[in-house]
Amino acid sequence: AQKVTQAQTEISVVEKEDVTLDCVYETRDTTYYLFWYKQPPSGELVFLIRRNSFDEQNEISGRYSWNFQKSTSSFNFTITASQVVDSAVYFCALSERGENYGGSQGNLIFGKGTKLSVKP
Amino acid sequence: DTAVSQTPKYLVTQMGNDKSIKCEQNLGHDTMYWYKQDSKKFLKIMFSYNNKELIINETVPNRFSPKSPDKAHLNLHINSLELGDSAVYFCASSPGTDAGNQPQHFGDGTRLSIL
Repeated sequence: AQKVTQAQTEISVVEKEDVTLDCVYETRDTTYYLFWYKQPPSGELVFLIRRNSFDEQNEISGRYSWNFQKSTSSFNFTITASQVVDSAVYFCALSERGENYGGSQGNLIFGKGTKLSVKP
Repeated sequence: DTAVSQTPKYLVTQMGNDKSIKCEQNLGHDTMYWYKQDSKKFLKIMFSYNNKELIINETVPNRFSPKSPDKAHLNLHINSLELGDSAVYFCASSPGTDAGNQPQHFGDGTRLSIL
């Protein structure tokens, strides 16, 4: 079963628009971690944020903000006033502790990514 | 200084050949990983090693054999390459086996193309 779902395959916006990338996850663990990574056209993977399951406080970093809601198993990412340099594929990922079953604890389980295109 | 470095960056070879991809990290991390990103951009864990010992093998064909001579290196050797092996392979490292404690640091990827 897919554990991280990014339903939006591609999003296209015009510069300065706000955009939200959705991420829904599934886990049986009580302790887990959520991540967002950015993959620009050059191909490298850039870490953006990590959140643990006990910290539902939303976070803001410049134009980026993240909304973590355990009740809906979602960890959404919003870019405010988007810029052309934000164009990339964005991945949401889950890391489990494997408390409740002998799962693959420690490694990252990635969603399929959302390709964001910001046009000038 | 490059934290996680992979060589080569590009690898083009014929079906049936054997090839290796090298990975080195200078972060002092204990755990290293290999991920495969297919043509649809889907990223999936292949292996992880902690202090030179295999801890995760996600149903990867045994044509793929990781080798960790020390905790700073995790090389990936692939025998009898097949067309389906064409992908970008990412190496990563983290301080411990609990990937949640610290984010994984990724190399820039190796694009493998099988002709």
